[in-house]
Amino acid sequence: GEDVEQSLFLSVREGDSSVINCTYTDSSSTYLYWYKQEPGAGLQLLTYIFSNMDMKQDQRLTVLLNKKDKHLSLRIADTQTGDSAIYFCAESINGGSQGNLIFGKGTKLSVKP
Amino acid sequence: DSGVTQTPKHLITATGQRVTLRCSPRSGDLSVYWYQQSLDQGLQFLIQYYNGEERAKGNILERFSAQQFPDLHSELNLSSLELGDSALYFCASSPRQAPRNYGYTFGSGTRLTVV
Repeated sequence: GEDVEQSLFLSVREGDSSVINCTYTDSSSTYLYWYKQEPGAGLQLLTYIFSNMDMKQDQRLTVLLNKKDKHLSLRIADTQTGDSAIYFCAESINGGSQGNLIFGKGTKLSVKP
Repeated sequence: DSGVTQTPKHLITATGQRVTLRCSPRSGDLSVYWYQQSLDQGLQFLIQYYNGEERAKGNILERFSAQQFPDLHSELNLSSLELGDSALYFCASSPRQAPRNYGYTFGSGTRLTVV
């Protein structure tokens, strides 16, 4: 079945770059997403990438997609303490024709001052 | 404020009871999704409604049911509650049947504690 895997924890120093990795299983995924969850809040869409792209940049965020290896990464440049949160990778399934997304278990990013 | 409203924010109830969680989607969104978030299982998809009709079903227990009303708000009913049903229940919405480049907009969740 579909599955999305992420490492559970990442710790970085303020000002460094953070790289959060994710692997997914559905080769027909047309959209892949990164969500951020702060304590006590719902998930917030950070960015998405369409499957025909290798890279997408949005201010401090860079998403890299390797379709061959089904590997997705999120790089946060100049990481700030306000970036401390849980980051979820999610894939659309069945070519994006189905509405539900499959989420990873989330990577908890801790940023040390 | 994401525009997706979930009530109540917190709910404490006893085993065997029945509760109803409510969700109002963001204005203009026709799809509503329900997810259960627990520490060990992560985010588990329960069910999707699109414009009043069930569109997709995940690992939703038979004790759980949902519906979407003509005004597009949705309710998730959980019955014969067990301790293991304690979790955060999220509602999300999207404009169309599939999230595509919009993704989902999530509510802030209902924390259910079964004692």
